[in-house]
Amino acid sequence: QVQLQESGPRLVKPSETLSLTCSVSGYSVSSGYFWGWVRQSPGKGLEWIGSLSHGGTTFYNPSLKSRLTISMDTSKNHFSLRLTSVTAADTAVYYCARNGYYDTGGPAYFDYWGQGILVTVSS
Amino acid sequence: SYELTQVPSVSVSLGQMARITCSGEALPKKYVYWYQQKPGQAPVLIIYKDNKRPSWIPERFSGSTSGTIVTLTISGVQAEDEADYHCLSADISGTYVVFGGGTRLTV
Repeated sequence: QVQLQESGPRLVKPSETLSLTCSVSGYSVSSGYFWGWVRQSPGKGLEWIGSLSHGGTTFYNPSLKSRLTISMDTSKNHFSLRLTSVTAADTAVYYCARNGYYDTGGPAYFDYWGQGILVTVSS
Repeated sequence: SYELTQVPSVSVSLGQMARITCSGEALPKKYVYWYQQKPGQAPVLIIYKDNKRPSWIPERFSGSTSGTIVTLTISGVQAEDEADYHCLSADISGTYVVFGGGTRLTV
């Protein structure tokens, strides 16, 4: 059974960096599939943040690309999100998820999800 | 930027049929995936590749396509189907994942 668990600070100050880690169990992050992040602002819809292939290729939401880094640590079987210069607009529940991919090489659907972690940006 | 359009809300009576649509220019060439999300929970995949249903999802959930519009149909809506429904697809290049704005189904 594939399981994912987000962890990290739940409160981040404006202009600082939001860092989250997704620990994966039941599947190796280097074995296949992509790994991605999705967020949901309070009362809003889902927003794709970005995805990382098992080979290390990144795909980022253009609206976040300049502030975003997604990386992987295969030795710990986890992947991470780093979002710089945060504002109140980045307050959201952040989900990590296993990410399918198209034959053409881009990210597709999400099948297994973490429970989500609410991150609030506030001074 | 590429967008998927969903109506914000749909209301249906118990036992009736609910149809939730998702529209986008690239949908004739890109698969759509549907998620159900209940309050305080992570989304759950209920339809994949436009019209395929995981074995653990009730048969009353189905998906169909017609050009740039994809439809999630719930036949014989149950009280537990009250939730938000999100469609997911990709831009035409297949580089970006895109979610629709979500539809709140009220039973």
